[in-house]
Amino acid sequence: RKEVEQDPGPFNVPEGATVAFNCTYSNSASQSFFWYRQDCRKEPKLLMSVYSSGNEDGRFTAQLNRASQYISLLIRDSKLSDSATYLCVVTSYSGAGSYQLTFGKGTKLSVIP
Amino acid sequence: GAVVSQHPSWVICKSGTSVKIECRSLDFQATTMFWYRQFPKQSLMLMATSNEGSKATYEQGVEKDKFLINHASLTLSTLTVTSAHPEDSSFYICSARDLSGVAHGETQYFGPGTRLLVL
Repeated sequence: RKEVEQDPGPFNVPEGATVAFNCTYSNSASQSFFWYRQDCRKEPKLLMSVYSSGNEDGRFTAQLNRASQYISLLIRDSKLSDSATYLCVVTSYSGAGSYQLTFGKGTKLSVIP
Repeated sequence: GAVVSQHPSWVICKSGTSVKIECRSLDFQATTMFWYRQFPKQSLMLMATSNEGSKATYEQGVEKDKFLINHASLTLSTLTVTSAHPEDSSFYICSARDLSGVAHGETQYFGPGTRLLVL
């Protein structure tokens, strides 16, 4: 089983649609959880952290279920500029005060006019 | 926010040559930097953890003699791909943690990446 698994995508949605991404992780000792966004041929950029209580940032809502080892990202009112690959990222303690990021393969989103 | 730079942004080289990639934290000190590799349509894979003043820690399957890492200062880590071959062609990305308290302690800031093409 892969450490971090995401919906394979691609997701092609019209502008204004609501889209949800899912992610599961295998390491129950994982510490922190994030969604990153990666544009084509660019580096990943942090979109938002994910907390057990759930958190919202504008049109983006992230949820974490530790018991099910499941993370989600909801995007409302999709914009053309939301087109990108969304990476689910999980951190775990790797010793000596360092944390290691493990990335999912990402889910590609294309928002269509 | 914290800024990480990489140089060069892209490299085309002949098979057998060595390529050095620099990763710099521009406005913070990074005792730890990370080197990743990403093949097309694949996830970022951690290659090694670069520790300032000590040896790098390599992930399983990554040849330490082929991918030489030097972290000589708190703001600079270098990755040298020795005797590069076409299968080494990839997108190499570094990241650094900012532990100054300004950013989340576990947040990593990524460099813009270096595209390596070995002919």
